[in-house]
Amino acid sequence: KQEVTQIPAALSVPEGENLVLNCSFTDSAIYNLQWFRQDPGKGLTSLLLIQSSQREQTSGRLNASLDKSSGRSTLYIAASQPGDSATYLCAAFDNYGQNFVFGPGTRLSVLP
Amino acid sequence: SQTIHQWPATLVQPVGSPLSLECTVEGTSNPNLYWYRQAAGRGLQLLFYSVGIGQISSEVPQNLSASRPQDRQFILSSKKLLLSDSGFYLCAWRTAKNTEAFFGQGTRLTVV
Repeated sequence: KQEVTQIPAALSVPEGENLVLNCSFTDSAIYNLQWFRQDPGKGLTSLLLIQSSQREQTSGRLNASLDKSSGRSTLYIAASQPGDSATYLCAAFDNYGQNFVFGPGTRLSVLP
Repeated sequence: SQTIHQWPATLVQPVGSPLSLECTVEGTSNPNLYWYRQAAGRGLQLLFYSVGIGQISSEVPQNLSASRPQDRQFILSSKKLLLSDSGFYLCAWRTAKNTEAFFGQGTRLTVV
C-alpha cells in the first residue's frame, strides 16, 4: 500500500529565501505526482503535476522534480514571499487503482 | 473551463441527524469523483471514489455513504451523524489517470 511522507512538517523562513520541500513515497509504481497548496480553512489549489515519465515541471517561481527510482519528489520555491505561506501537500497517484494518496503536508511560513 | 462546486461551505449538525453534502462538476464529462475528509491536525483521508454513474468504491468502513445519481454529481450522506464525523470534507475530480486533480472549496462540518 502506498504511503507518502513529507519533511519538514513545518518551516519558517525570512522573505526572499529559496527553499525546498520534500515528499517521499514507498511504491515507485506511480502514474503521476501532484503538488497542492492549501490555505487555512480552504480547499486545495493545484500547483504542479508531474507525469511518471517526466523529471520536472516548472511554473513561475515553483519547480517540482520527480525521481521514481528513489521514491522522491521535491518542490523548490524561489525567492519566497509572505503570500507563499500555506500548507503544501504532495499526492501520488498509483498504478493499482483510481486513487491518489496524500502526504501529511508541510506548513510554510514566510516572514516579511 | 471546468469548475467544481461544493455546498454548503459550513454546517453544524446535532448528533444523530442526517447529512447530505453535494458536489457538482461543470465543463467536463465522465469525471472520476472523490470525497476526502481532513480531520483537525490530520492528513487527507480518501472516503469514496467513483469512476461512473452508480459506481462507488469505499476506502474505509464508516458511518457515511456516497452516491452518484448523475455523471457530474457526487453526494455524501449519513443517516445518523456521530461526533467523530466532524471535519473538513473535500470533493475532487479528474478525467483520467494522468491528468490533474482539482478540488472544491470544502465543507466544514461540525457535529455537536
